[in-house]
Amino acid sequence: GAVVSQHPSWVICKSGTSVKIECRSLDFQATTMFWYRQFPKQSLMLMATSNEGSKATYEQGVEKDKFLINHASLTLSTLTVTSAHPEDSSFYICSARHFGQGNSPLHFGNGTRLTVT
Amino acid sequence: DAKTTQPPSMDCAEGRAANLPCNHSTISGNEYVYWYRQIHSQGPQYIIHGLKNNETNEMASLIITEDRKSSTLILPHATLRDTAVYYCIVRVAETSYDKVIFGPGTSLSVIP
Repeated sequence: GAVVSQHPSWVICKSGTSVKIECRSLDFQATTMFWYRQFPKQSLMLMATSNEGSKATYEQGVEKDKFLINHASLTLSTLTVTSAHPEDSSFYICSARHFGQGNSPLHFGNGTRLTVT
Repeated sequence: DAKTTQPPSMDCAEGRAANLPCNHSTISGNEYVYWYRQIHSQGPQYIIHGLKNNETNEMASLIITEDRKSSTLILPHATLRDTAVYYCIVRVAETSYDKVIFGPGTSLSVIP
């Protein structure tokens, strides 16, 4: 089945530093990947849609200059949390869908637990 | 995309069938029903999807009412590993870039 790999699975960083999270579709191509954030006991919240070769589309209230998204190839999207603060501590999850298959389901990475101290 | 309504929580005895309902009364004719689940501290996992016919796979069955305004996900023999939050989502499935919005889902607890 389709596999999405997310790395790292957890990271601890100091306030003010930047953290990069990678999302790879291992056995399929994905022109579009999605980034979600999840706080404890809450549902997933869509942050942005990552489009290969073009700018990401951010949801309302998500700062594009703080959460930098790069989708450089059909199998890789990265999310960089810049100048991280403790309130950015959260569970970040990426997902991808097969290129050209509109009704195929989303496949998710296993998430990255970010802790900012 | 149409909104969905799910009960916030349910219990199910181990070995019994778990029936998780979802109401999507405003669903459009070209919207599919998808189910995902999320086990604690993991990424969501796709379970099943359908348009209007009932569907079955190795994980579950999906029963969609004739008017398509509601559906039920059935886990035929629930195990402790099925304890998770289950999300019902409806979306138009025409492109690969339309986004998926998650509601609060149903927290299923399978009890020994």
